[in-house]
Amino acid sequence: EDKVVQSPLSLVVHEGDTVTLNCSYEVTNFRSLLWYKQEKKAPTFLFMLTSSGIEKKSGRLSSILDKKELFSILNITATQTGDSAVYLCAVEGLEDYKLSFGAGTTVTVRA
Amino acid sequence: DGGITQSPKYLFRKEGQNVTLSCEQNLNHDAMYWYRQDPGQGLRLIYYSQIVNDFQKGDIAEGYSVSREKKESFPLTVTSAQKNPTAFYLCASRTGGIGYTFGSGTRLTVV
Repeated sequence: EDKVVQSPLSLVVHEGDTVTLNCSYEVTNFRSLLWYKQEKKAPTFLFMLTSSGIEKKSGRLSSILDKKELFSILNITATQTGDSAVYLCAVEGLEDYKLSFGAGTTVTVRA
Repeated sequence: DGGITQSPKYLFRKEGQNVTLSCEQNLNHDAMYWYRQDPGQGLRLIYYSQIVNDFQKGDIAEGYSVSREKKESFPLTVTSAQKNPTAFYLCASRTGGIGYTFGSGTRLTVV
């Protein structure tokens, strides 16, 4: 059974801090790893990672994948209150593009 | 604008009743998925469909049923056999490319 573990489960930071979210996985047939941000409703897409060692960046967010050690990190620099959300990590398998999700990390950014 | 529409946003069900959650997409996506989200847990796959008139069980299909008579529509029925249906339900679609598109979800509560 595919398994995705995120850590920490939650954290509280102050505006301007940097946060690092972790995602480790055990998947039989790996296609890609995805990060989503969820604020109360629909998850919104952040990154898709397929290759090791190549950092993807979008503004203050960045992510990298290590396919040898089976983990990914998501970094948020200079955090803002708008970054408060649940961040979901998901791994996509080769079979039917199904996603296996971790439990998520709840990030709270205080002003 | 293209997207996924889920309705209703909130749904209350009495014990023993069947209810149907609607999911419609105008993205011309082939594959559609239903996920369930419980507090503190990641999304879990209920059912998915890769093409019209075909669908497969996900990890937690018991107590649920689906149909895929049209490409645009993938309704989910929560039957009385589902013992703990109170949850947040998310529909998603996908076609090649990058990741999934999610609907805004339906929050189902058993009263």
